[in-house]
Amino acid sequence: GESVGLHLPTLSVQEGDNSIINCAYSNSASDYFIWYKQESGKGPQFIIDIRSNMDKRQGQRVTVLLNKTVKHLSLQIAATQPGDSAVYFCAENGNDYKLSFGAGTTVTVRA
Amino acid sequence: DTAVSQTPKYLVTQMGNDKSIKCEQNLGHDTMYWYKQDSKKFLKIMFSYNNKELIINETVPNRFSPKSPDKAHLNLHINSLELGDSAVYFCASSQGGGRNTYGYTFGSGTRLTVV
Repeated sequence: GESVGLHLPTLSVQEGDNSIINCAYSNSASDYFIWYKQESGKGPQFIIDIRSNMDKRQGQRVTVLLNKTVKHLSLQIAATQPGDSAVYFCAENGNDYKLSFGAGTTVTVRA
Repeated sequence: DTAVSQTPKYLVTQMGNDKSIKCEQNLGHDTMYWYKQDSKKFLKIMFSYNNKELIINETVPNRFSPKSPDKAHLNLHINSLELGDSAVYFCASSQGGGRNTYGYTFGSGTRLTVV
């Protein structure tokens, strides 16, 4: 099976609230993690990444947290907007030339 | 300018046919990939090429044959199409193996439907 997975397949969030999307990974050798966003009819789009020598990284309205002890990754989206509705994937680069994806979480933003 | 472009965007074909999907990237990357996304949105790597050399072949049936004429192009040819081949196929590229860059850049996908 795949080494990366998400805890919940779906997440419904009220517009303006914060969203938290979780992901567990099993490959201890993974040293680079990425969150992707996939909108309907499009390919996955890079959101934010983090390396294993960090435990937190912030972008514009997004924060990624990495807990290597329990092999857990999360994506926090602040002030969720309708345009944030999409499928979110975590991915790990445990080996060069192979990015492994989790199953994805579908985020629906309620107006 | 589209960074990673795939053609066609949609492909409907009958079982047993042979079809090709083309991919081109203008990012100057040296590595390209094919991923398959099933109906449950699960993304699975199929192949990766670095400077036209096959690096990863993830136990894909040999009916699938990738071809990289140069490092900017990676095409996917599928022989004797089966119903189970129906999926969305994504091409992607990266500089190097992806770990020292911002991951991969994906194309917009080719939705293949086998009837």
